[in-house]
Amino acid sequence: KQEVTQIPAALSVPEGENLVLNCSFTDSAIYNLQWFRQDPGKGLTSLLLIQSSQREQTSGRLNASLDKSSGRSTLYIAASQPGDSATYLCAVPHSGGYQKVTFGTGTKLQVIP
Amino acid sequence: SAVISQKPSRDICQRGTSLTIQCQVDSQVTMMFWYRQQPGQSLTLIATANQGSEATYESGFVIDKFPISRPNLTFSTLTVSNMSPEDSSIYLCSTGQGGTGELFFGEGSRLTVL
Repeated sequence: KQEVTQIPAALSVPEGENLVLNCSFTDSAIYNLQWFRQDPGKGLTSLLLIQSSQREQTSGRLNASLDKSSGRSTLYIAASQPGDSATYLCAVPHSGGYQKVTFGTGTKLQVIP
Repeated sequence: SAVISQKPSRDICQRGTSLTIQCQVDSQVTMMFWYRQQPGQSLTLIATANQGSEATYESGFVIDKFPISRPNLTFSTLTVSNMSPEDSSIYLCSTGQGGTGELFFGEGSRLTVL
């Protein structure tokens, strides 16, 4: 059974700082890994999708890396802004498929102006 | 990408009543997924809804409590039956893009049961 852990659970940084969020998973036979953002009481917004054959993906100030062999992914946020404050979730597909996923425990980020 | 609309966005319900949540996708999709997010927790998959067949429920979730309909390839409903305060959660509908496997979510339906 896939288990997904995110560290840290919460993070508070001053505006402008670069930061790294971590995601670990137990079953490395994954099809892809996806990072999401969730604002309080809202749905999920897809940030980045990394296929199993890729090592990283970039979108604007966001960069996500994937190391399947070690069961890890990182989300790097450059030059953080108060608008980045949200909960960040990683999601990994269940074994044998790619649309049923297990979510990580989440990292709640607060960027202080 | 898929655009997913959910209704209601939020509701306050009385114990013992039932509520049906609707999910509409802007394109035809094979599978739709329903998740629950309890306060302060991550998301847990309730069931997978395929058009033309019964939904497949994950361990810990049963059809009597969470009946699901999937009448066509763009629409699904989830009913939360005989609600108790423990059912207070955000319920989210999701679907995936074939090929890449990218998942998209609705805005969620926030239920509070008194």
